[in-house]
Amino acid sequence: ELKVEQNPLFLSMQEGKNYTIYCNYSTTSDRLYWYRQDPGKSLESLFVLLSNGAVKQEGRLMASLDTKARLSTLHITAAVHDLSATYFCLLVYGGATNKLIFGTGTLLAVQP
Amino acid sequence: DADVTQTPRNRITKTGKRIMLECSQTKGHDRMYWYRQDPGLGLRLIYYSFDVKDINKGEISDGYSVSRQAQAKFSLSLESAIPNQTALYFCATSWRGTGELFFGEGSRLTVL
Repeated sequence: ELKVEQNPLFLSMQEGKNYTIYCNYSTTSDRLYWYRQDPGKSLESLFVLLSNGAVKQEGRLMASLDTKARLSTLHITAAVHDLSATYFCLLVYGGATNKLIFGTGTLLAVQP
Repeated sequence: DADVTQTPRNRITKTGKRIMLECSQTKGHDRMYWYRQDPGLGLRLIYYSFDVKDINKGEISDGYSVSRQAQAKFSLSLESAIPNQTALYFCATSWRGTGELFFGEGSRLTVL
């Protein structure tokens, strides 16, 4: 069964700390996206990772992709309260069919 | 104006009523999707459409139907709403070449 698992599911962290969210998947990936969702709001695309070893950074967030390990990470540096949200990874697979499957999501709460 | 527009944004209805949620897009994308999100949970795919004549069931299609009236319009219907269909519903679009999803603002449905 195809799975995309994120861990942790819930992360409470203090401002100024670093942490990593993991997205593990069980099939060959074509690309992987990270999304952010604020409570009750829509989802916003943060990063697209296209190939093995890809790294993207925006502000305090950095995403990477290891296709051999079937793992993507979202690293948070010196967290601030504004980063509190739910983060989802989205796996695109299946070649030209571009099938999609979301990760389970990680709820991040950054405490002052 | 938003590229992916959902109407209504909020709806309260009673058990047994027929409800239609509408989605329109100006992005020119060929693929459209309907997702459901329950509180504290991830996104589950209800239906998706790769073009006007290609409609497919997702993982939780029971109790729902869809209509792709044009490339830009994709409607979700609940023929006889029940309380456990209370949720936040998202429409999303993508271009077949990338798989990146662009979301509407969501439609919050409450079934009493």
